[in-house]
Amino acid sequence: KQEVTQIPAALSVPEGENLVLNCSFTDSAIYNLQWFRQDPGKGLTSLLLIQSSQREQTSGRLNASLDKSSGRSTLYIAASQPGDSATYLCAVEGQVAAGKSTFGDGTTLTVKP
Amino acid sequence: GAGVSQSPRYKVAKRGQDVALRCDPISGHVSLFWYQQALGQGPEFLTYFQNEAQLDKSGLPSDRFFAERPEGSVSTLKIQRTQQEDSAVYLCASGEFPGELFFGEGSRLTVL
Repeated sequence: KQEVTQIPAALSVPEGENLVLNCSFTDSAIYNLQWFRQDPGKGLTSLLLIQSSQREQTSGRLNASLDKSSGRSTLYIAASQPGDSATYLCAVEGQVAAGKSTFGDGTTLTVKP
Repeated sequence: GAGVSQSPRYKVAKRGQDVALRCDPISGHVSLFWYQQALGQGPEFLTYFQNEAQLDKSGLPSDRFFAERPEGSVSTLKIQRTQQEDSAVYLCASGEFPGELFFGEGSRLTVL
């Protein structure tokens, strides 16, 4: 059974700092890994999707990497802003249970002005 | 529509009542997913449709939960005889398979 862990559970940083969020998964047989952002009381907003054959994806100040063999992904946020404050979730779509994505419990980020 | 639409956004039900939650996916997306999210946790998979076929319902917690997508577009998640432990946010997502998931705003169910 796929298990996804996100560390740390919460993170507080001053504005402008670069930061890294971590995601680890137990089964490397995956189709893809996706990072999401969730604001309080809202749904999930897709940030980046990394296919299993890819090593990284970039969008603006965000960069996500994938090391499938070690079961790890990182989300790098450059020059953090207060508007980045949210919960960040990673999800892994496995090959065994096709179509089913397994989520971590998220990292809650607070960026202080 | 431009995104995944869910209704109602909020539902309060008395224990024992039946509820129905609706999801209108992004036009053209063949895959549709239902997830349940408890406070402070990540979403948990409930069920998955490809067009009108329900390919995986392994995450449905009991036989009180039922989902359908009869015409391969709009989907309804029905919960019969609601219990307090059913209180959660129910999220719907659509997408291509395999590929990027797009989520709605969710339906927050509170069972009193």
